[in-house]
Amino acid sequence: DVKVTQSSRYLVKRTGEKVFLECVQDMDHENMFWYRQDPGLGLRLIYFSYDVKMKEKGDIPEGYSVSREKKERFSLILESASTNQTSMYLCASSSASTEAFFGQGTRLTVV
Amino acid sequence: EDQVTQSPEALRLQEGESSSLNCSYTVSGLRGLFWYRQDPGKGPEFLFTLYSAGEEKEKERLKATLTKKESFLHITAPKPEDSATYLCAVQAVSGGSYIPTFGRGTSLIVHP
Repeated sequence: DVKVTQSSRYLVKRTGEKVFLECVQDMDHENMFWYRQDPGLGLRLIYFSYDVKMKEKGDIPEGYSVSREKKERFSLILESASTNQTSMYLCASSSASTEAFFGQGTRLTVV
Repeated sequence: EDQVTQSPEALRLQEGESSSLNCSYTVSGLRGLFWYRQDPGKGPEFLFTLYSAGEEKEKERLKATLTKKESFLHITAPKPEDSATYLCAVQAVSGGSYIPTFGRGTSLIVHP
């Protein structure tokens, strides 16, 4: 079975902190994604990576950056956390044009 | 621009009351349509992939169907444990990007 693992289920951070969200997949997938999910807004794509060191901006990249140094690992970085970044963050991976598999999610609260 | 619209936004059923969820889509060329189930506080769980009009997939009480403009997720004799949000996503043929476009989901509650 495909496994996508996010490093934390719950995080509480202070405004202005630099925050790292880590995601690891074990199926050698080329594509990895970071989404945030908010009530009424659905899933919104933050960043997408189709290969090591390659990335593309999604719909809402402002305030975020990403890193993909190894194929299995995709990190989301909040450079300076703000309260409007309080959300559920979801990582996903897929192989070429197949379905995406999601991690369990990280509920981030910025206070 | 690819678009996915799911309806209804919310659906309440009595246990055993069959119904259907709708996913309407607009894409330049469909590579695949995906259905997911999401429980509160968890990541979406993959259910089905459909590739071409006329295709159907089944799993327990769920059956997904596909036409050229929409997909339906039929729920037969639902149970309370089927309560969840159901998400639909499409992936377009055009370009080299494999980014799926998601709908906002249908929240299903099944009462015992």
